[in-house]
Amino acid sequence: EVQLLESGGGLVQPGGSLRLSCAASGFTFSTYAMTWVRQAPGKGLEWVSAITGNGDRTYYVDSVKGRFTISRDNSKNTLFLQMNSLRADDTAIYYCARGETITARLPGAHWGQGTLVTVSS
Amino acid sequence: QSVLTQPPSASGTPGQRVTISCSGSSSNIGSNYIYWFQQLPGTAPKLVIYRNDQRPSGVPDRFSGSKSGTSASLAISGLRSDDEADYYCAGWDDSLTQVVFGGGTKLTVL
Repeated sequence: EVQLLESGGGLVQPGGSLRLSCAASGFTFSTYAMTWVRQAPGKGLEWVSAITGNGDRTYYVDSVKGRFTISRDNSKNTLFLQMNSLRADDTAIYYCARGETITARLPGAHWGQGTLVTVSS
Repeated sequence: QSVLTQPPSASGTPGQRVTISCSGSSSNIGSNYIYWFQQLPGTAPKLVIYRNDQRPSGVPDRFSGSKSGTSASLAISGLRSDDEADYYCAGWDDSLTQVVFGGGTKLTVL
């Protein structure tokens, strides 16, 4: 059974940093791209970032370019999102989701339960 | 303002067929696959259609997807009360070089 478990969310002040993790199990992690999608309170879904299975290509939504970094450790079956210079409008539930192929940029059928990031002073 | 445009709401009665539209442009829907996600309140999104018209295993055949030009649609037939949810279309945009989501459509089963 595919399982994705996010962690690392919490309350952070504007300008601060957080590192989200997503522990994967139930599939061969390195053979699938991974994505991050967020949802601000009461708002719709927003794609944040994606990374290919071997980590050689990364993609970001414009609003996080230069502030967020997606990475993965295939030896530990873990996906990361390093978030720096956080702003109030980064407040959201952050979901990790598996892509359907090794180069997919869209999320697929498998999602985590999400972790809440709140940026506030 | 979302790159992919969806109606904010849709409704139908049990047993009815409803359609949710997703309008885009040549750089997204016109040249790439469209995916559809269902999100029940308080839960993570669930993939219901991928690659325009493919159903993941476990998704009933009451759900179907189609695409024509720069528009896509999700149809739900035999509407049930547990279909009441938010539905989102999504796809890659070649010009923006990022994934774009529609604003979402809240489906109400009357």
